[in-house]
Order: sequence, then C-alpha cells, then structure tokens
Amino acid sequence: KAGVTQTPRYLIKTRGQQVTLSCSPISGHRSVSWYQQTPGQGLQFLFEYFSETQRNKGNFPGRFSGRQFSNSRSEMNVSTLELGDSALYLCASSLGITNEKLFFGSGTQLSVL
Amino acid sequence: LAKTTQPISMDSYEGQEVNITCSHNNIATNDYITWYQQFPSQGPRFIIQGYKTKVTNEVASLFIPADRKSSTLSLPRVSLSDTAVYYCLVGGTGTASKLTFGTGTRLQVTL
Repeated sequence: KAGVTQTPRYLIKTRGQQVTLSCSPISGHRSVSWYQQTPGQGLQFLFEYFSETQRNKGNFPGRFSGRQFSNSRSEMNVSTLELGDSALYLCASSLGITNEKLFFGSGTQLSVL
Repeated sequence: LAKTTQPISMDSYEGQEVNITCSHNNIATNDYITWYQQFPSQGPRFIIQGYKTKVTNEVASLFIPADRKSSTLSLPRVSLSDTAVYYCLVGGTGTASKLTFGTGTRLQVTL
C-alpha cells in the first residue's frame, strides 16, 4: 500500500506570491491533517479535514487555507507569502478522526525569498 | 488542550536502554498518549500508543502511571539508527482535538 504522498518535495517562492501544496493520503484514509515545522517553533498544527470538512484549525492567519476533495486528497494554500512562512509542511493521514495512528508524508520544504 | 513537556535532549551509548519521560499534567479523560520518531527531512513515524498501564510492541514499551499525568517511552538496546527526535503527543481518539506536538526530545546515540 502506497504511503502518504506530498508534492512538490521542494519549492522556492518569493514574498507576496501564493503557493499550493498537495497531499495524497493512504488509500482508505479519510482524515488528513497539516503541520508546519520550523527550527524555532517545532511542529505546529495547521488544520484537519475529515470527509471534506474542516474539523479543526490551528492558530494560523487566514492566509493559510486548505481543502479536501471527495477522494480524500487535500491541498493547502498559503497566500501573500512572508519570509517566516519558510518551513517544512507535513501532511498526515489516518483512518478516522484525530489521534488515530498518523501516517506522515515526507513533507514539502518551502523556501520564501 | 493537554500540553506536553519533554527533555530537550538525551545522550546514550549503543546497546543501552533509553527512557524518555513526557509530562502531561492536564491530560483529559479521553486522551490517548502517542509517541512518534522523526529523522531529519522526514515526517514523524508512529512508534507506540497507549491509554493506561503498559503497552509493548516490537520496537518500544510505553509506561503510563495510574494518574496518567506522565508517560515514559522505553527503547531497549538502542542503536545508532535510533538517533532521532522523539515526540510525545496527547489527544483524544475519535474527537476533533487539536494535535499538539511538544518540542520533542533529541536522542543522540553513540558508540
């Protein structure tokens, strides 16, 4: 069974641009959650989706948004990029809702110049 | 929302048993305790999950005292490949709770 797939693996953007990251969960998994990881702040929860509905959202500005499609694939979008948005963005999938065993992808390393 | 506290770093020699303790004083009744391992430039990997007492699998054991305000991850006979960051995570299974990762414990294993 294929693992969680995140694309792209690396991304370089400039301030003010927007970016869309993609996550394909493990087949059969209906929950997808997103995390931002930086050396200074560690792993921070962004949001969680289950059956196309956002179940929970972390403390991030409205520039961060996401969605989940009917096939459970998920995207997150960051608009008006800032230098501080440079981070590793991780996606995790699970069978059910939150704190089930999470399966993480390798992440998308975003650099904002 | 349960906050977790772990040691920032630990050092061990290969072949030793390593115990990493996580404090979660305000754990809720329906919260489970889960540990993840993360290598550089990779996503965290599930190690073990428990609710109370002791859980053991092929790679680790998890000890949870009766008051559940802390938990200890035990790694038997560590090897160099166990050098990683270990995260303790507390949250409610089946609820839409925000999953909060602590700062993690950076384990360095040497010969």
